[in-house]
Amino acid sequence: GAVVSQHPSWVICKSGTSVKIECRSLDFQATTMFWYRQFPKQSLMLMATSNEGSKATYEQGVEKDKFLINHASLTLSTLTVTSAHPEDSSFYICSARSRDTQYFGPGTRLTVL
Amino acid sequence: RKEVEQDPGPFNVPEGATVAFNCTYSNSASQSFFWYRQDCRKEPKLLMSVYSSGNEDGRFTAQLNRASQYISLLIRDSKLSDSATYLCVGNLGSGTYKYIFGTGTRLKVLA
Repeated sequence: GAVVSQHPSWVICKSGTSVKIECRSLDFQATTMFWYRQFPKQSLMLMATSNEGSKATYEQGVEKDKFLINHASLTLSTLTVTSAHPEDSSFYICSARSRDTQYFGPGTRLTVL
Repeated sequence: RKEVEQDPGPFNVPEGATVAFNCTYSNSASQSFFWYRQDCRKEPKLLMSVYSSGNEDGRFTAQLNRASQYISLLIRDSKLSDSATYLCVGNLGSGTYKYIFGTGTRLKVLA
């Protein structure tokens, strides 16, 4: 149980394009999902908390207009990186909360050329 | 001061060795703690939750010391497959479910 999927697993795009990443909880409902970013040799940094049916809560320093989050259902949250630039290249990981534990998706590796 | 601090390592140990990692946290309101394991270029996977009473799962033992605000993980009889980065994680307490991750401790088990 507690399986979380992410799609796509990797993406390469040109600077200025927008990229959408999906996070799904496959066998449970998640009112709360989280989006993280991890740069090489660094730890996971929480970007935002995604709440089903309401606006996401962003961490300090994360631009909400650049990283659009939509949590339209209890099993799906999406992160859209708008007008991506090379500095946005990173490993984006989502998690879904089940009780007190977070279960992580396999991550999406974004490379912006 | 970082909210969750770990020694980044790497810890290089021979197969069969016992190795211990410590982690300190600064937010006394944190209520839940976990150890996650992360393999290279993969997502973190839950290894175990950490309780004040201590908990054991096979070769792994985790302990929480609230007075000193540190968490430990002990791995006995290390296997080559234990090589990974071990992430210490705390939540922020106060009813939030937000996690704060340590930078991770790299473990290499050598044949």
